[in-house]
Amino acid sequence: GAGVSQTPSNKVTEKGKYVELRCDPISGHTALYWYRQSLGQGPEFLIYFQGTGAADDSGLPNDRFFAVRPEGSVSTLKIQRTERGDSAVYLCASSLTSGKGDTQYFGPGTRLTVL
Amino acid sequence: AQSVSQHNHHVILSEAASLELGCNYSYGGTVNLFWYVQYPGQHLQLLLKYFSGDPLVKGIKGFEAEFIKSKFSFNLRKPSVQWSDTAEYFCAVSAGGATNKLIFGTGTLLAVQP
Repeated sequence: GAGVSQTPSNKVTEKGKYVELRCDPISGHTALYWYRQSLGQGPEFLIYFQGTGAADDSGLPNDRFFAVRPEGSVSTLKIQRTERGDSAVYLCASSLTSGKGDTQYFGPGTRLTVL
Repeated sequence: AQSVSQHNHHVILSEAASLELGCNYSYGGTVNLFWYVQYPGQHLQLLLKYFSGDPLVKGIKGFEAEFIKSKFSFNLRKPSVQWSDTAEYFCAVSAGGATNKLIFGTGTLLAVQP
């Protein structure tokens, strides 16, 4: 079946602009995660959705970052007033539930470059 | 706070050599442990995971990992690597609970020379 998809694959923007990154999880997966991967680092957790609600947003770096999942499927990560330090690959993952040991399936990521 | 350490940042091996990649985590409670792999140009995919039972876990493509609780370690092994194993390998831990979020190490870049 189809895996996790993310659009766009690449996004170049200027400092101060607003961007939206989209994630389509695997159909039927209730848990959705956003991670950020900077160069030379492993992915870092940003936010987790169970259904429509953000159950854990402890990884969001500041209030410029926001994410939604209004119908419990597609999620959008929104970044306001982008800064050069926001440049990274943004990864989305989904799992059937958030149960112990449930495998998270990752998408290809969106590479964000802030000039 | 939980953390994961991968000691080898870059490993170069010849085909047929044996592989062991180190992974240590810091968390005193019950953990779930994962190894993910990212092949060139592809997305992260699961190699293997441990959440209970036999501490020796078998994964895809001949990989295995051993959970040693007393050492807080989950090292990845393969007896004989192939050129196609060239990839970046990430160890991750999850403390479960309500979130099941993953804490990743910084990754190990493996290059296998034919």
